[in-house]
Amino acid sequence: IAGITQAPTSQILAAGRRMTLRCTQDMRHNAMYWYRQDLGLGLRLIHYSNTAGTTGKGEVPDGYSVSRANTDDFPLTLASAVPSQTSVYFCASSNGTSGYNEQFFGPGTRLTVL
Amino acid sequence: GQNIDQPTEMTATEGAIVQINCTYQTSGFNGLFWYQQHAGEAPTFLSYNVLDGLEEKGRFSSFLSRSKGYSYLLLKELQMKDSASYLCAVRDSNYQLIWGAGTKLIIKP
Repeated sequence: IAGITQAPTSQILAAGRRMTLRCTQDMRHNAMYWYRQDLGLGLRLIHYSNTAGTTGKGEVPDGYSVSRANTDDFPLTLASAVPSQTSVYFCASSNGTSGYNEQFFGPGTRLTVL
Repeated sequence: GQNIDQPTEMTATEGAIVQINCTYQTSGFNGLFWYQQHAGEAPTFLSYNVLDGLEEKGRFSSFLSRSKGYSYLLLKELQMKDSASYLCAVRDSNYQLIWGAGTKLIIKP
């Protein structure tokens, strides 16, 4: 593993189904983030974690949950998918949350909810 | 509310110079980032500004004026591979990034 990986690459999901998007980083970064990207809109923060064992809500958290049991993994769960959750989902990580600590992004998961 | 404004699309010619502007209104300011995103790919980091002035990195430069809530990304000697979206993001008082919708840059030969 080099950097951040996400799985699956893409998924078509029936409305009402539960889905977990996986994210793993091997850079030992403290902070991790989940964003969604929709056409014409900027990246919007769903949930974040500043360090293992802690999580926080971003701008659009409704319908999503996360956990951070260890430094490397930060899964995002959709408990009961709805069509408005159709989007491209990016996981990101950074060494810290201040100063010259840029966020590194995974390749994304393209999710379609029908 | 928090707001980041960038032009939706710009067109430039290979070999030329282009300036992409970004204006922001956020609750607090703890730095401004520029990212590049090719179609279908993840954003990648280009530059970071926290103090007023110009930061130069090869063909790319980024400028910040905190008093005006304004930044620009300057791309010199444009190459076809520079065709991409350029995202402006501001780190707010909660140390979270607020993102603009991005500027799609089209390079013509």
